[in-house]
Amino acid sequence: NAGVTQTPKFRILKIGQSMTLQCTQDMNHNYMYWYRQDPGMGLKLIYYSVGAGITDKGEVPNGYNVSRSTTEDFPLRLELAAPSQTSVYFCASQGLKNTEAFFGQGTRLTVV
Amino acid sequence: AQSVTQLGSHVSVSEGALVLLRCNYSSSVPPYLFWYVQYPNQGLQLLLKYTTGATLVKGINGFEAEFKKSETSFHLTKPSAHMSDAAEYFCAVSDRMDTGRRALTFGSGTRLQVQP
Repeated sequence: NAGVTQTPKFRILKIGQSMTLQCTQDMNHNYMYWYRQDPGMGLKLIYYSVGAGITDKGEVPNGYNVSRSTTEDFPLRLELAAPSQTSVYFCASQGLKNTEAFFGQGTRLTVV
Repeated sequence: AQSVTQLGSHVSVSEGALVLLRCNYSSSVPPYLFWYVQYPNQGLQLLLKYTTGATLVKGINGFEAEFKKSETSFHLTKPSAHMSDAAEYFCAVSDRMDTGRRALTFGSGTRLQVQP
């Protein structure tokens, strides 16, 4: 059982480049989330989805976009990378009957 | 709006000593409360959670936490620290399942060091 899988694990981007962080889950969970983790700041919610075709903004959505075309996948898109987007990104999922979320291993992104 | 405050960004204890990590929350509705642990270069792993019922909650690796509504606290404890407990610990809060919003609000984390 793979759980929540994120790719890539590490990436270095140049300012202005774009990329997509991939997240897939095999638990048939309705809810999916993207968080970013900055040192000393805890995790902040970027976007979330309550099901296929439905997404909504979290606390820090600027500079990011998401889509949810299937239950399994919830990719996060950075269109014009900026140094402020250097962070560790975590994807999580949660089932309808789960009280807790399950996290992926994270993607460490550096923008230079 | 919900918020979580973790007192002490770094806590250092000796092996075998009591571990106490503090967490206070603010929520307009009765919340669900969680402690997650993050080992270096790893994702977050659930340690324990409070949803309903008994206010003293036991988790993995000998950790426990007590929900105190009057103090809006959910402190994490372990009677005897082990070297393998060295990690970062996050307290988090979410709304209850029937309110629709389940995303977690995290505290800023506490890094636990265990000295031999």
